[in-house]
Amino acid sequence: GAVVSQHPSRVICKSGTSVKIECRSLDFQATTMFWYRQFPKKSLMLMATSNEGSKATYEQGVEKDKFLINHASLTLSTLTVTSAHPEDSSFYICSARDFTSNNEQFFGPGTRLTVL
Amino acid sequence: GIQVEQSPPDLILQEGANSTLRCNFSDSVNNLQWFHQNPWGQLINLFYIPSGTKQNGRLSATTVATERYSLLYISSSQTTDSGVYFCAGWGSNDYKLSFGAGTTVTVRA
Repeated sequence: GAVVSQHPSRVICKSGTSVKIECRSLDFQATTMFWYRQFPKKSLMLMATSNEGSKATYEQGVEKDKFLINHASLTLSTLTVTSAHPEDSSFYICSARDFTSNNEQFFGPGTRLTVL
Repeated sequence: GIQVEQSPPDLILQEGANSTLRCNFSDSVNNLQWFHQNPWGQLINLFYIPSGTKQNGRLSATTVATERYSLLYISSSQTTDSGVYFCAGWGSNDYKLSFGAGTTVTVRA
């Protein structure tokens, strides 16, 4: 199956700083990528849909100024958590859709963010 | 988006046992996928199965699209099968995957 990488896998930062997470589709081009957030023992919650070359579409309740998404190429999307606070601590997972394979979605390994 | 209901929420198995996980959808689905989330958080694609039956080793899945449900079968379970199993799908008017709450499977040696 297709491979999606995510970096970093784990990050610890101080409150008020910004953190950037990268998501790459390694062996396919992804016009559409997705960012999810997962709380402990909970399901995945979609935060936003990222389309290459255009603005991201955010789900209701997700602050677009706090969670900046950029999808500058067909293989790279980034999520920047701006002015992070402890309540932003979570597991963030990206996903990419392979339109050459029935639009099947593949997921990155996730990034565990801890804000002190 | 569509509503996805998974059952059971938790499953404890003895190694070697068989089990069935179920996923019900509130509406017709155009894309249905099963995933296994391992203890490190990685979602692993198990099946892309909007309809029909597929098998991959000890795992198989069946989707009955007209009745809006899908089943995942685990046979001869192993401890490495432990983790959370999610199903997800999107409907005809919504191209975003909606996830179920997951089934947590624990296989004991």
